[in-house]
Amino acid sequence: DAGVTQSPTHLIKTRGQQVTLRCSPISGHKSVSWYQQVLGQGPQFIFQYYEKEERGRGNFPDRFSARQFPNYSSELNVNALLLGDSALYLCASSSVGQNQPQHFGDGTRLSIL
Amino acid sequence: AQSVSQHNHHVILSEAASLELGCNYSYGGTVNLFWYVQYPGQHLQLLLKYFSGDPLVKGIKGFEAEFIKSKFSFNLRKPSVQWSDTAEYFCAVNARNSLSYDKVIFGPGTSLSVIP
Repeated sequence: DAGVTQSPTHLIKTRGQQVTLRCSPISGHKSVSWYQQVLGQGPQFIFQYYEKEERGRGNFPDRFSARQFPNYSSELNVNALLLGDSALYLCASSSVGQNQPQHFGDGTRLSIL
Repeated sequence: AQSVSQHNHHVILSEAASLELGCNYSYGGTVNLFWYVQYPGQHLQLLLKYFSGDPLVKGIKGFEAEFIKSKFSFNLRKPSVQWSDTAEYFCAVNARNSLSYDKVIFGPGTSLSVIP
């Protein structure tokens, strides 16, 4: 079975631009979460979506938004990019119910010039 | 608010040495605990998890972790490390309730370098 897939793998943007990152969860997984991992730090929680609804949001500005589609795939959008948005963006999926661990994708490396 | 701390930022060991990576969390309720590993150039992988029951959990590749509730700790151990264990290790926790069970809080990570 395919794991969590993210696209693109790498992206270079300039300040002020907008970016959309995509994630396809493991087949059967209905929950998708997004994390930001800055170099040298642990992943920071951005959003969790379940059944197309936002279930949780981390301490990120409104420039960050996301959505989940009927097929459970998800997009993360970031507007008005700042240099500090340069990071690895990780998507994780899990199946329904408690005690289900998250499975991570390889991430999208976003570089802001 | 939940938080996770890891005792060491960078650990250097020789092959066959024993490993213990410290992890402490802050949360007053019931938690799920995880250790994830990130090998160079690879994605995060689940090493082991604790949900309930025996506080000593065994994971893949000979790793184990012990949950000590009174100390809010979940330390990772391996009796004899190999060069292939060189990686970044992340301790993580999430509160066990129906609304936030997927919100995982990660520690800052410990970089392990194993010298052949």
